[in-house]
This record gives sequence, structure tokens and C-alpha cells, in this order.
Amino acid sequence: AQSVTQLDSHVSVSEGTPVLLRCNYSSSYSPSLFWYVQHPNKGLQLLLKYTSAATLVKGINGFEAEFKKSETSFHLTKPSAHMSDAAEYFCVASLGGSRTNTDKLIFGTGTRLQVFP
Amino acid sequence: DGGITQSPKYLFRKEGQNVTLSCEQNLNHDAMYWYRQDPGQGLRLIYYSQIVNDFQKGDIAEGYSVSREKKESFPLTVTSAQKNPTAFYLCASRRDDLSYNEQFFGPGTRLTVL
Repeated sequence: AQSVTQLDSHVSVSEGTPVLLRCNYSSSYSPSLFWYVQHPNKGLQLLLKYTSAATLVKGINGFEAEFKKSETSFHLTKPSAHMSDAAEYFCVASLGGSRTNTDKLIFGTGTRLQVFP
Repeated sequence: DGGITQSPKYLFRKEGQNVTLSCEQNLNHDAMYWYRQDPGQGLRLIYYSQIVNDFQKGDIAEGYSVSREKKESFPLTVTSAQKNPTAFYLCASRRDDLSYNEQFFGPGTRLTVL
């Protein structure tokens, strides 16, 4: 079955320290992968995306993610956390292989990032 | 500015009442989606529409209905048959120019049943 697993439901870091949010996917096809961020009572905003080009993807606000096919992972990182990074983060997959597969997105259950001063 | 608007931002409903959530986009996208978000469960697909006058059930369509009479509008009705409607509802549209499914999201409507 196709799925996206976010390995941590909560991550806490201190301001200025690195952030690592982990995501693994399961797919028979080469997926497109996204990270979205959601602040409280807001919609989802696209942070970055992998679409079979470069495996290291840079996004907004200093975030980046690396696609590792051998590990079926797409972890999100940031060298130095800011207070404004506190939010919920979703790893999302768009499956390849057919038009039908791309009709729907597969969402992870989210990781809540807390940033302490 | 192009984008997706949802209204109202907050909605309160008495048990047994139907309510309709509005979703409008001016991105000229063909495909639109409705999701429900509950704490700790991520997003679940309710309905989606790939073109005007056509729509498909998602994973949790029971108790919901939709219409797609215009390209820019995709309203969701939460009926009295929905057993637990209190949730955050998100509308999205899909970029037409890409082979993969990249979606833009609206700001959401929080529905509370009293």
C-alpha cells in the first residue's frame, strides 16, 4: 500500500539549533514529494517539493530536504531554528505511474515543531 | 492576487442542521478538493472534482455533499447525517500545468457543532 510516515508526532528544539523532521514513504512508483507547513488555524503552505530532478531540494525560510531513494526517505532540515518556525509540518506524496495515481495526495499525520527560546 | 478563499472562517451549527462551506478560487484551476482535518490525523479527503459538473467521493464522503456548477466554486455541504462534523475543513485546488499533483490550500473553515 502507498503511504507516508512521519516518524515523530512532536519535535522540540531550542532557538538557533538544527531542525530535523523525518519522513518515509512507501510507493511502487517514483513519487513527487512535498513538505507543507501549517500555522494554527491556517491553511497549508508549500515549503518545498521534490519532482525527480535534484535530490537535494531547497525551500522557503531556509528549509531543505533530501530525497534518498535507497532509504525511501525525504527528511526536512533547517540549520538554525527560529521562533517563527513553530508550526505543524506535513510530508505529502503525489504518486506516479498513472493519471489515476496522481488524482489524490497521500498525507503524513504531521509533526508539531516547538521552538523554545 | 490569485488564491483560494473559504468562508466563513468559523461556523457554529446545531445538531440536525445542514451547513454549507464556501470555497472559491481565481487560479483558473480545473481540479478542486475538500479535506477534513482532525487533531493527530492529518488531512483526509472528502470529495474532489476534476472538472465542472463532475466530482468523485474521497475516503470519507459519508454525510457530505458537493456541487461543481462553476469552475471557480466548489461548495461543501455538511449534512445532518455526518455523525461527528466538528473539525477544520480545508479546500484546495491543483495546478493544471504539472504532471504531478501540487495543490494550493485555502485558509480553512472551523466548524463546531453545539
